[in-house]
Amino acid sequence: QVQLQESGPGLVKPSQTLSLTCTVSGGSISSGDYYWSWIRQPPGEGLEWIGSIYYSGSTYYNPSLKSRVTISVDTSKNQFSLKVTSVTAADTAVYYCARDPHGSGSYFGYWGQGTLVTVSS
Amino acid sequence: EIVMTQSPATLSVSPGERATLSCRASQSVGSNLAWYQQKPGQAPRLLIYDASTRATGIPARFSGIGSGTEFTLTISSLQSEDFVVYYCQRYSNWPPSRTFGQGTKVEIK
Repeated sequence: QVQLQESGPGLVKPSQTLSLTCTVSGGSISSGDYYWSWIRQPPGEGLEWIGSIYYSGSTYYNPSLKSRVTISVDTSKNQFSLKVTSVTAADTAVYYCARDPHGSGSYFGYWGQGTLVTVSS
Repeated sequence: EIVMTQSPATLSVSPGERATLSCRASQSVGSNLAWYQQKPGQAPRLLIYDASTRATGIPARFSGIGSGTEFTLTISSLQSEDFVVYYCQRYSNWPPSRTFGQGTKVEIK
């Protein structure tokens, strides 16, 4: 059973870059035909898809965030990462990493527990 | 951009009764719709995908139906653990896009 775990700073200053890593266990990122994704949820609000990366490295992003977001994969560490530049208080959220269960990348059957990132000076 | 609208925002139902949750798309999404359940402090859990297929391990009391712009999640007999928040999510492969609804909270009546 694949498991995902987010890690990274819980506090980021405005205008700086938010960086998070998702470590995958129970399976290799490079062995399956899957998409690996980031989703966020501001406190008390709904869910927002940030973007996804294929195991081969191709990416696609939410158009509303595309100019500030980079997702990358490190198969040697079995991790994938998220960077969001020029953050503001609006980027304060619980950030989840996730994977589709079937390879389509369309929906999310495996989730990390989430990590809260607060943007504040 | 396709907008997903869930209704009602809050649904009050008695334990053991049926709950019917609605999700509407601003334009057709075919059957490319998923439903999730989220308990407080937890990550969402996939319930339904492709509008009507239950995910692995999901009880039969959860069912989904719909296509195009109108979708429904039905919980046939509410258990205590079902009184939480539910989200719909549409997906498309070209252009690649995933959009969530704003959620419906199911509360005890």
